[in-house]
Amino acid sequence: KQEVTQIPAALSVPEGENLVLNCSFTDSAIYNLQWFRQDPGKGLTSLLLIQSSQREQTSGRLNASLDKSSGRSTLYIAASQPGDSATYLCAVHNTDKLIFGTGTRLQVFP
Amino acid sequence: DTEVTQTPKHLVMGMTNKKSLKCEQHMGHRAMYWYKQKAKKPPELMFVYSYEKLSINESVPSRFSPECPNSSLLNLHLHALQPEDSALYLCASSPREGNQPQHFGDGTRLSIL
Repeated sequence: KQEVTQIPAALSVPEGENLVLNCSFTDSAIYNLQWFRQDPGKGLTSLLLIQSSQREQTSGRLNASLDKSSGRSTLYIAASQPGDSATYLCAVHNTDKLIFGTGTRLQVFP
Repeated sequence: DTEVTQTPKHLVMGMTNKKSLKCEQHMGHRAMYWYKQKAKKPPELMFVYSYEKLSINESVPSRFSPECPNSSLLNLHLHALQPEDSALYLCASSPREGNQPQHFGDGTRLSIL
């Protein structure tokens, strides 16, 4: 059974810092991996999707990498801003289902 | 703005009530999903519809009844819910079922009294 874990569970940093959020999964037979952002009480906003054949994807200040063989993905946030405060979820597509990680709650303070 | 629209945003109901959650998308997606999310937990898959037919039911209690009247609309009918069913209910859609990127709505916050 696929298990997805995110470390750290919570993170509080001053603005301007570069951040790394980690995601690990137990079954490397995935089709792709998706990173989401969730604001309190809101739905999920898709940030990046990495296909299993890809190593990384970039969007603005966000960069996500994927190492399928080791079962790891990282989300890099450059020059963090207070508006980045949210919960970040990674999710792996395993056969026909999207399996979510446990999430990282990020707070960026001015 | 989300391209998947869910109504209502909030719902409070008693355990004997019957209510429905609604989800709509106009992106031409042919797969739609219901997820349940408890506080500080990741979303958990409930149902998947593919081309308006139920594809996956994750052993959800029968007090939750999904319906897909057409390719743009997904409903979740609720009856005789329990307090532990209080959660955020998220709808998502994707071009097709399988390993396709999913687009989520803002959810319905459900409280059972």
